[in-house]
Amino acid sequence: GQQLNQSPQSMFIQEGEDVSMNCTSSSIFNTWLWYKQDPGEGPVLLIALYKAGELTSNGRLTAQFGITRKDSFLNISASIPSDVGIYFCAGLPLTGTASKLTFGTGTRLQVTL
Amino acid sequence: AAGVIQSPRHLIKEKRETATLKCYPIPRHDTVYWYQQGPGQDPQFLISFYEKMQSDKGSIPDRFSAQQFSDYHSELNMSSLELGDSALYFCASSPENYRGLRTDTQYFGPGTRLTVL
Repeated sequence: GQQLNQSPQSMFIQEGEDVSMNCTSSSIFNTWLWYKQDPGEGPVLLIALYKAGELTSNGRLTAQFGITRKDSFLNISASIPSDVGIYFCAGLPLTGTASKLTFGTGTRLQVTL
Repeated sequence: AAGVIQSPRHLIKEKRETATLKCYPIPRHDTVYWYQQGPGQDPQFLISFYEKMQSDKGSIPDRFSAQQFSDYHSELNMSSLELGDSALYFCASSPENYRGLRTDTQYFGPGTRLTVL
């Protein structure tokens, strides 16, 4: 099925560094969601964005809903070892329709001490 | 805060057997979604229910069926299991509304790992 283009595919960073990842789409989305998934566990919602141009923070995480509605980015500041995992962006084309999520391909983050 | 509950967490079945996965959404969430995730892949949408009615259908095999009950919990029934059905199965739920608007923001459960031998 359709996927969002998410980059980078993987990152190796040192503890304390900032991280940035993004998602782009050829389609417009009305909602952008960012999830983190640990191995064998369910995706955990990090940030939800509902409005074009919206910038939202959750602790060390900041995400923005692109003004064109076709992209979003996630920043993690001062990374720590527990940030390790796979980060997925996901988009919803419409609201109020129990729509399926379109997922990005994921960014695997590894943090070294 | 209450989360989505899935049971069982792990399930091992033989080929051609049947399996039933259960999902209990977050309280006051009226919409349930089922996803399948293979190793190294992103979750793939199977089916969703809103107010006990099927709302959307994805790449769900005909061997699978699902329903949502009056208490909003959902069950995914899988028959004639094949080796390729081995995967993580996630249920997600979304609330009726957020600030007066329906958002369909989906909260995932911990998943059921199905292994077909």
